[in-house]
Amino acid sequence: QSALTQPASVSGSPGQSITISCTGTSSDVGGYNYVSWYQQHPGKAPKLMIYEVSNRPSGVSNRFSGSKSGNTASLTISGLQAEDEADYYCSSYTSSSTLLVFGTGTKVTVL
Amino acid sequence: EVQLVQSGAEVKKPGESLKISCKGSGYSFTSYWIGWVRQMPGKGLEWMGIIYPGDSDTRYSPSFQGQVTISADKSISTAYLQWSSLKASDTAMYYCARRINGLGDWGQGTLVTVSS
Repeated sequence: QSALTQPASVSGSPGQSITISCTGTSSDVGGYNYVSWYQQHPGKAPKLMIYEVSNRPSGVSNRFSGSKSGNTASLTISGLQAEDEADYYCSSYTSSSTLLVFGTGTKVTVL
Repeated sequence: EVQLVQSGAEVKKPGESLKISCKGSGYSFTSYWIGWVRQMPGKGLEWMGIIYPGDSDTRYSPSFQGQVTISADKSISTAYLQWSSLKASDTAMYYCARRINGLGDWGQGTLVTVSS
C-alpha cells in the first residue's frame, strides 16, 4: 500500500486561502468517503481537523474545509493565519488489509 | 474527558526488547479501535496497525507485520506496542490514537531511541 500523494509544501500570505491536495486511488480516496486531515505542529501530536471528507470536529475553526473529487481529496484553509503554519497529513480508509493509509505530508508556510 | 496517556521515553540498545503502552480513559476502552503510528525523525506519519480491545482483533500494515506486536489488556484499558529485537532504524516517535471519526484522539507520543 503506497502512501497518498501530497505536495511537499504550500505557502500563502495571511488572509489568503490555500488548498492542499491528497491523491490516491479507487482503492482508497476514490472508493470511500473516509478521508481525514491532520494538523501537526513541531514537537506536538497530530490533531484531527477534518473527518469523512468534509466534517469538522467540535472546536476546529470553520476556516478549515474539506472536499473530494474522484481519487483526489483537498483541504482548504481560508483566512490563513500565522497559527496555521504546520504540517498537514491526509489519511484514507483503504480496501487493503492495512485499513488505513497516510499521505506524504505537506508543510504549510505563512509568509 | 477522553485521554490517551503513553509511557515515557525509552533508550535501548540494538537487539533489546521493548513494550510501550497507551492507557485510555474517559470512554469505553473496549468499544473503539486503537491504532499505532510511527514518525521517524524529520519524517511523515506511518500507519503501523490497529487493535480492537473488545476482542483483540488486530490488523497490521504490511510494512510492520512481523516486526512489531500490537496487543491490549482491556482489564486495565491499555494498549501495547512491542518489539522483540530492536534495530537502530526503530528510532522514532510512536503515537497511539483512538479511531473515532478518523483518528480523533491521540496520545502524547513515546520517543524510542535505539543506539549502541
